[in-house]
Amino acid sequence: NAGVTQTPKFQVLKTGQSMTLQCAQDMNHEYMSWYRQDPGMGLRLIHYSVGAGITDQGEVPNGYNVSRSTTEDFPLRLLSAAPSQTSVYFCASSLSRGSGYTFGSGTRLTVV
Amino acid sequence: GDSVTQMEGPVTLSEEAFLTINCTYTATGYPSLFWYVQYPGEGLQLLLKATKADDKGSNKGFEATYRKETTSFHLEKGSVQVSDSAVYFCALSEGNTDKLIFGTGTRLQVFP
Repeated sequence: NAGVTQTPKFQVLKTGQSMTLQCAQDMNHEYMSWYRQDPGMGLRLIHYSVGAGITDQGEVPNGYNVSRSTTEDFPLRLLSAAPSQTSVYFCASSLSRGSGYTFGSGTRLTVV
Repeated sequence: GDSVTQMEGPVTLSEEAFLTINCTYTATGYPSLFWYVQYPGEGLQLLLKATKADDKGSNKGFEATYRKETTSFHLEKGSVQVSDSAVYFCALSEGNTDKLIFGTGTRLQVFP
């Protein structure tokens, strides 16, 4: 049981490049979310999903896209990277409402 | 909208001291409340949770009680250890979407 797996762990992008951060969970969790963590700002929700085929925006969605074609996978796409997207990104999943989320180990992204 | 406010750190304690980290929330409904812990270089781990008023969550010697009348969920531990040094996040989950909203985190440093 691997939990929530995020790849890559580290990434450096040039401004304007695009990339996909991968997230997979093997716990059959319905709820999945993407957060970014910046110093002094806690974690802010980017996008979330309450099941396959259902996604919605969080607090800071601009510049990011998501899709949820399967229960297991929830990739996050950066369309055109900007230095403001330099951050640590966490994917998380939850079995049901109120049960609490399991977090991945994060992707540290630097945009130069 | 819903929000979480927690005390700023760092909180610096000697080993075996008593710990309190304050957390208050604003919510329109009846959220579930959580404490997460983040060790250096790692993702977040669920420490404890409470899903309704007057519930007490506990784990690894940490406790927090869901106080609806004061909209609070303060984290306590009777005797901290050096290994408890980490960043602690208070969070609530919103209604049907189960979106997590985090406080900004409190860094705890415990010295021998």
